[in-house]
Amino acid sequence: GESVGLHLPTLSVQEGDNSIINCAYSNSASDYFIWYKQESGKGPQFIIDIRSNMDKRQGQRVTVLLNKTVKHLSLQIAATQPGDSAVYFCAENESNFGNEKLTFGTGTRLTIIP
Amino acid sequence: ETGVTQTPRHLVMGMTNKKSLKCEQHLGHNAMYWYKQSAKKPLELMFVYSLEERVENNSVPSRFSPECPNSSHLFLHLHTLQPEDSALYLCASSQVGLGNYNEQFFGPGTRLTVL
Repeated sequence: GESVGLHLPTLSVQEGDNSIINCAYSNSASDYFIWYKQESGKGPQFIIDIRSNMDKRQGQRVTVLLNKTVKHLSLQIAATQPGDSAVYFCAENESNFGNEKLTFGTGTRLTIIP
Repeated sequence: ETGVTQTPRHLVMGMTNKKSLKCEQHLGHNAMYWYKQSAKKPLELMFVYSLEERVENNSVPSRFSPECPNSSHLFLHLHTLQPEDSALYLCASSQVGLGNYNEQFFGPGTRLTVL
């Protein structure tokens, strides 16, 4: 079956440094990808998305890169802050009109060291 | 209230109890979802309602019964659960259809413990 997976379950980064979280996906028909952040005791929160016709998208302190050749997605967080500590999930969407479905990875726990 | 709300936030129940989880979205979306989140496992999609019709039921045991009375409300009725059903249950909503991408907005979840 199709799957979305993450290379590393945990990542520790010094405050102020940049962090990169990686994600591999296997469904070549996926047309839309999302990164979510989940803090302790809360539901996943949308961070940034990217469509399959793009290879890079930037937000505030975050950048998502999409490499469709190797089916790889990454989230870069610049100048990390303590509030960035959370679990980060990637998700892929296969467009099937009237029956949208997101498939999630297991998540990477990012810890920012003060 | 804004976004997606869920009640209760915490629930402890015995295996013979009947309880219901409630979700409400204030975003004007036309699709709602139930997910199960267990430790060290990906989010598991349980049910999808699109335009108030159930379009997905991912082989979920019948002890879980969803209900979607309108586009803003979603319930998950629980009956004779097992301890392995203990998890965080997340509700989400999105706007699906032509021109829309499936950006799902999540509620805070209900932490369920089955004794």
